[in-house]
Amino acid sequence: LAKTTQPISMDSYEGQEVNITCSHNNIATNDYITWYQQFPSQGPRFIIQGYKTKVTNEVASLFIPADRKSSTLSLPRVSLSDTAVYYCLVGDKVVTGGGNKLTFGTGTQLKVEL
Amino acid sequence: DTGVSQDPRHKITKRGQNVTFRCDPISEHNRLYWYRQTLGQGPEFLTYFQNEAQLEKSRLLSDRFSAERPKGSFSTLEIQRTEQGDSAMYLCASSDSGQNSLEQYFGPGTRLTVT
Repeated sequence: LAKTTQPISMDSYEGQEVNITCSHNNIATNDYITWYQQFPSQGPRFIIQGYKTKVTNEVASLFIPADRKSSTLSLPRVSLSDTAVYYCLVGDKVVTGGGNKLTFGTGTQLKVEL
Repeated sequence: DTGVSQDPRHKITKRGQNVTFRCDPISEHNRLYWYRQTLGQGPEFLTYFQNEAQLEKSRLLSDRFSAERPKGSFSTLEIQRTEQGDSAMYLCASSDSGQNSLEQYFGPGTRLTVT
């Protein structure tokens, strides 16, 4: 899996939009960009995945430029409950003959305050 | 609640004791993973099952660790002769082989403290 780099921490206030950028310079042609969210004392939770351009779901948006060497997770109007660690991963989502072990970095600790 | 359950949620044991953790994946998922997470770090892969077959083991999984998945349903992870360095959160995840293998469903984890 390609190595990713993201900020260690970010602070925000309730109601603001938060953008977390991840660098993945060595992303391969078949790789997808996946983001997980982890609250304290819980397992990570899949939140969004994309290949190129923009993906949006009920939780977040994911922006991927044409060169795909970086991506930005956008959380609209954050609340206190969005305080969590966010992990960016890249890899091929179709793995033949076996599973796909996820390689997590240290993630970005997002702290949302009032 | 992702549908993946783990038991126990917390375990305190003395160094040298054996411990066993259980994971119940989402019933229709045939892939099951174990990860270990220490404070301030992301989860690290330990081992992977497809149905009852253990197909991959990390070099992190020393010979004191053993995992099983009899009948391809629940899985157990046993640590023999625990050491203080084994203190961590042990996470189980499952996924469906026919779908997106990067979308894994994690359980709440078992936090192990070795004293």
